Amino acid sequence: KAGVTQTPRYLIKTRGQQVTLSCSPISGHRSVSWYQQTPGQGLQFLFEYFSETQRNKGNFPGRFSGRQFSNSRSEMNVSTLELGDSALYLCASSVDGSTSYNEQFFGPGTRLTVL
Amino acid sequence: AQSVTQLGSHVSVSEGALVLLRCNYSSSVPPYLFWYVQYPNQGLQLLLKYTSAATLVKGINGFEAEFKKSETSFHLTKPSAHMSDAAEYFCAVSEAGAGSYQLTFGKGTKLSVIP
Repeated sequence: KAGVTQTPRYLIKTRGQQVTLSCSPISGHRSVSWYQQTPGQGLQFLFEYFSETQRNKGNFPGRFSGRQFSNSRSEMNVSTLELGDSALYLCASSVDGSTSYNEQFFGPGTRLTVL
Repeated sequence: AQSVTQLGSHVSVSEGALVLLRCNYSSSVPPYLFWYVQYPNQGLQLLLKYTSAATLVKGINGFEAEFKKSETSFHLTKPSAHMSDAAEYFCAVSEAGAGSYQLTFGKGTKLSVIP
């Protein structure tokens, strides 16, 4: 079974631009979560989608948004990029995310650099 | 909100020596705990998880962790370190959000293995 895939792997943008990152979950997984990883803040939860609906959201500004398609693929968008948005963005998928011990499988991440 | 504390951002051990990475959690309800490993330029890989079935949990690559409720700890150990164990390790607790569960991570511990 193929793992979680994320595209692109690397991105360089300038301040003020917007960016879209893509995530394809493991086949059969319907829950997709996004995390931001930075040296200063560590790993922080952004949001989680299930059946095309955002079920859960972390403490991030409205510039961060996402969506999920009917095939469970997910995208996240960051508008009006700031230098502090430079990070590794990780996508994780799970079967349905509704149980507390539900294992999440992570993709390799997208490294975003904002200049 | 639940939280996870990992003591020591960097740990160095000699090859063949015991590996001990510390994790303490705060939770008002029975926690579900995880250890993940991250190799450079890669995503997170699950090492093991505690789901209340047994207090001593065995994971992949010879790692194990013991859940101690009285100490609110879930330390990760491996009897004999190998060069390939050099990576960053994250402890996480599963936290209920609005309809799903998200992972709250510790800041991570970078393990170096000295030949």
